[in-house]
Amino acid sequence: SQQGEEDPQALSIQEGENATMNCSYKTSINNLQWYRQNSGRGLVHLILIRSNEREKHSGRLRVTLDTSKKSSSLLITASRAADTASYFCATNAGGTSYGKLTFGQGTILTVHP
Amino acid sequence: SQTIHQWPATLVQPVGSPLSLECTVEGTSNPNLYWYRQAAGRGLQLLFYSVGIGQISSEVPQNLSASRPQDRQFILSSKKLLLSDSGFYLCAWSSGLLDNEQFFGPGTRLTVL
Repeated sequence: SQQGEEDPQALSIQEGENATMNCSYKTSINNLQWYRQNSGRGLVHLILIRSNEREKHSGRLRVTLDTSKKSSSLLITASRAADTASYFCATNAGGTSYGKLTFGQGTILTVHP
Repeated sequence: SQTIHQWPATLVQPVGSPLSLECTVEGTSNPNLYWYRQAAGRGLQLLFYSVGIGQISSEVPQNLSASRPQDRQFILSSKKLLLSDSGFYLCAWSSGLLDNEQFFGPGTRLTVL
């Protein structure tokens, strides 16, 4: 089964609003990463948060990690129509996992202008 | 800078025909390489990964195989395609360091008829 599960599956908001996506996972991790995918394209890395970090910012992105609850959230502030995409969380178990990532099913974000 | 290429971009093949998808990386050496399949725009399923030339690890039993004949070349193959092999195939690379993000190619859309 997928390690990461995103919630909600789909999110529709107006431009300027904030978008929050959640991710839950099941086993211990070394880090958790968020990726973005525009329709029919490859994935683009957004942000990585290590297991000993609780919050991280990058531009309009804010990621939190709660290892006790095995969950993470991605907040996009002041959303734009160009933020419309699918967003995936991915977990890295570390150790001898050779950098393998386990991806969730993703959240489809639609931002209406 | 590093770049990753995949070809072809789209492919329509009859059931029972062979398959060869190619992925090449430029601007880095000894990368970890990964093949993923994505169905219906949802989560990614890791198919194969490689940490070096000739080293292939399979994540799921299937009709596909992978090879790494050169350091920065990763090939996904099948001798006889099945309808269920249809999907979006993504190649990715990472540096192999502990906190490593993955960089994705543009993907190949495979339709098996």
